Amino acid sequence: EDKVVQSPLSLVVHEGDTVTLNCSYEVTNFRSLLWYKQEKKAPTFLFMLTSSGIEKKSGRLSSILDKKELFSILNITATQTGDSAVYLCAVGANAGVTSYGKLTFGQGTILTVHP
Amino acid sequence: KAGVTQTPRYLIKTRGQQVTLSCSPISGHRSVSWYQQTPGQGLQFLFEYFSETQRNKGNFPGRFSGRQFSNSRSEMNVSTLELGDSALYLCASSPVRTGDSYEQYFGPGTRLTVT
Repeated sequence: EDKVVQSPLSLVVHEGDTVTLNCSYEVTNFRSLLWYKQEKKAPTFLFMLTSSGIEKKSGRLSSILDKKELFSILNITATQTGDSAVYLCAVGANAGVTSYGKLTFGQGTILTVHP
Repeated sequence: KAGVTQTPRYLIKTRGQQVTLSCSPISGHRSVSWYQQTPGQGLQFLFEYFSETQRNKGNFPGRFSGRQFSNSRSEMNVSTLELGDSALYLCASSPVRTGDSYEQYFGPGTRLTVT
């Protein structure tokens, strides 16, 4: 059975801190790993990673995938209160070129950023 | 450009009934995926459709079904509702995948309550 585990489950930091969120997976026929941010509404897509060692960046957020060790990290630098959310990791498997594949989600990391 | 729309936004049904939820993707997007989100199980993948064909299916019983129409709009149906089907049902659409750039956009969800 495909499995995605995120750590830590929750994290409390102060504005300006840097945080690292972890996602490890055991998936047959891995295709892609996705990160989402969820506030009190539907998830927002952050990144899709398919290749090891290539960092994806968007502003203060960055992510990298290690397909040998089967994990990914999401870094957020200079955190702000607006970064407070649940961060979800999902892994896609058995995908064709037009598909993410069957997605398995982790349980999420609850990030709280205090002023 | 209009976002993903889902109807209805809220729904209350009785055990044993059936329900149909609708999702209209962003104009030009051909892939639609459905997810169930509950406090206990988190976010779980239901199905993915592309060009009216189901490409992937999650681990849900046959009571959960879906389809996609030629205009990319999608519906999902749950028959013989159970209390445990109470959840937020999210739909997400994606454009045609090109390389590593393959974003996914979520609708606001349909909140289903089964009594």
